[in-house]
Amino acid sequence: KNQVEQSPQSLIILEGKNCTLQCNYTVSPFSNLRWYKQDTGRGPVSLTIMTFSENTKSNGRYTATLDADTKQSSLHITASQLSDSASYICVVSDRGSTLGRLYFGRGTQLTVWP
Amino acid sequence: EADIYQTPRYLVIGTGKKITLECSQTMGHDKMYWYQQDPGMELHLIHYSYGVNSTEKGDLSSESTVSRIRTEHFPLTLESARPSHTSQYLCASSVNYEQYFGPGTRLTVT
Repeated sequence: KNQVEQSPQSLIILEGKNCTLQCNYTVSPFSNLRWYKQDTGRGPVSLTIMTFSENTKSNGRYTATLDADTKQSSLHITASQLSDSASYICVVSDRGSTLGRLYFGRGTQLTVWP
Repeated sequence: EADIYQTPRYLVIGTGKKITLECSQTMGHDKMYWYQQDPGMELHLIHYSYGVNSTEKGDLSSESTVSRIRTEHFPLTLESARPSHTSQYLCASSVNYEQYFGPGTRLTVT
């Protein structure tokens, strides 16, 4: 069964600290993996997209890694800010259809405290 | 931020009412989607469209219907709202690998 599992479910850190969020997936075949940031009451916004051949991609203070062999990805946030408080969603796409079926994780709820 | 809009942002309505959630995008994307999201849960695809006059049901069974008469417009309709329809509804459009989401409509059916 194609699944995307994220950990931890929730995380609280102090402003300025770093953190790493995890994503494990069983989706096959694999096309790409995306990380989205979703603020409360808003739609998700794309942070990074990685295909099979990419193992790291950065977007400002966000760095995503991908290990396609172990089917794991991580999102590292450096020097956290209060505005980083949000849900971070891992999404994996398969190659099985023209739709590029998306499998969503439940997200990690990050809270950054001052 | 992408040019994709949803109205209303919040809606509280009584059981049995007919409602239409609006979604429009100005990017000229052919592919559009409707997702349903409950708090703390993953997004579930309920409808998608590859272009004008093309609509398909998604993975999650839904009593809603959609139409795609114009490229930029993808409304979702519930003929008779029920409390079980209470949820957040997210519209999205895509090009290549990228999906762009609207801000969502928070629907509460009393």
